[in-house]
Amino acid sequence: AQSVTQLGSHVSVSEGALVLLRCNYSSSVPPYLFWYVQYPNQGLQLLLKYTSAATLVKGINGFEAEFKKSETSFHLTKPSAHMSDAAEYFCAVLGGGADGLTFGKGTHLIIQP
Amino acid sequence: NAGVTQTPKFQVLKTGQSMTLQCAQDMNHEYMSWYRQDPGMGLRLIHYSVGAGITDQGEVPNGYNVSRSTTEDFPLRLLSAAPSQTSVYFCASSPTSGANVLTFGAGSRLTVL
Repeated sequence: AQSVTQLGSHVSVSEGALVLLRCNYSSSVPPYLFWYVQYPNQGLQLLLKYTSAATLVKGINGFEAEFKKSETSFHLTKPSAHMSDAAEYFCAVLGGGADGLTFGKGTHLIIQP
Repeated sequence: NAGVTQTPKFQVLKTGQSMTLQCAQDMNHEYMSWYRQDPGMGLRLIHYSVGAGITDQGEVPNGYNVSRSTTEDFPLRLLSAAPSQTSVYFCASSPTSGANVLTFGAGSRLTVL
């Protein structure tokens, strides 16, 4: 079985500041990990995914995430926040089998001008 | 390309009524799934299908039925709606099960009175 914990249901940063969204996972097998973004009234879009090829994964819109097995973490970062980054962010894990992704509860990112 | 199309976008039902949420994809994806999204709960898997004629239950299947008669369509049926089924429903597909990226529909917002 697998699970994901996202720390902080709401994160607020100033425009231009570092964005850090935290995700810790639990999986009984080597995991595949994903970050998705959801803009208001839209479906989810993939930001990036980890499939064991490289521990530092670069995604769209300047986001990246680092897989740390020792910490069971997959935190999402962006060096400089932009107003357009305001959205809901979901971390998800696929631990094997065909039973789909397990999503975290989401983190709402607020960008202060 | 249309991607994943969900209809209707909005629906209001009375308790005990039945309805079907439609999902169609034009990408020849074998894997399709239904999630529900509730505030503070993230996305939870309802049912999934790894190919035509094959369906299975996810994390929260009670009160929902699915079928997969064609590769393209994966309808979700509520036989007797309950207020607890008020939610936003997302259909998602991928080429196969496993570490493939899910393509999400725009969502269907259902309110049960």
